[in-house]
Amino acid sequence: DTGVSQDPRHKITKRGQNVTFRCDPISEHNRLYWYRQTLGQGPEFLTYFQNEAQLEKSRLLSDRFSAERPKGSFSTLEIQRTEQGDSAMYLCASSEGQGGTDTQYFGPGTRLTVL
Amino acid sequence: DAKTTQPTSMDCAEGRAANLPCNHSTISGNEYVYWYRQIHSQGPQYIIHGLKNNETNEMASLIITEDRKSSTLILPHATLRDTAVYYCIVRRISASKIIFGSGTRLSIRP
Repeated sequence: DTGVSQDPRHKITKRGQNVTFRCDPISEHNRLYWYRQTLGQGPEFLTYFQNEAQLEKSRLLSDRFSAERPKGSFSTLEIQRTEQGDSAMYLCASSEGQGGTDTQYFGPGTRLTVL
Repeated sequence: DAKTTQPTSMDCAEGRAANLPCNHSTISGNEYVYWYRQIHSQGPQYIIHGLKNNETNEMASLIITEDRKSSTLILPHATLRDTAVYYCIVRRISASKIIFGSGTRLSIRP
């Protein structure tokens, strides 16, 4: 069990550029989640996948945001036409998704800075 | 999911037990109490969870009151590496998302 991994760990971009982040969940975890965390706040839910199906999206996920999990394994989160307000830590988590208490385990996050 | 109330900050001497309280007076019968912590610039780390019985693992102990309206996370021998923001969360098993509050900023002093 290598844990949830995210890439890149840091991203600096200019306003208006597109960025894409990758998340690799714990092996055999069926559920994958994306959260966003701004400075001084707790993480906020963005969206989650059960295998390859995106089952829930937060209102925080504007039209400029898109997430995919094409083969039910890794996931990508793309932000188009970035704005300074998108600067935040983007966190990925995964869980088994089968019975039990479905504990979510988080990755180290990708810190995005939009200049 | 029920809301939780935690102190904004606490401190504890290194080597002593750190006791972090959490109120969740509106908790429902099917909601679990979870604790996560977040060390600066890292992702949240799962600590422990429980329904109504006290729980213990290698990281901490969780004490839930009999009426389940409050709980306490206990770090038995705090070290400097335990300095972090600790989040108490109430969540249904079937819930997809975790709703984080502001947490308690725990500082361990040498």
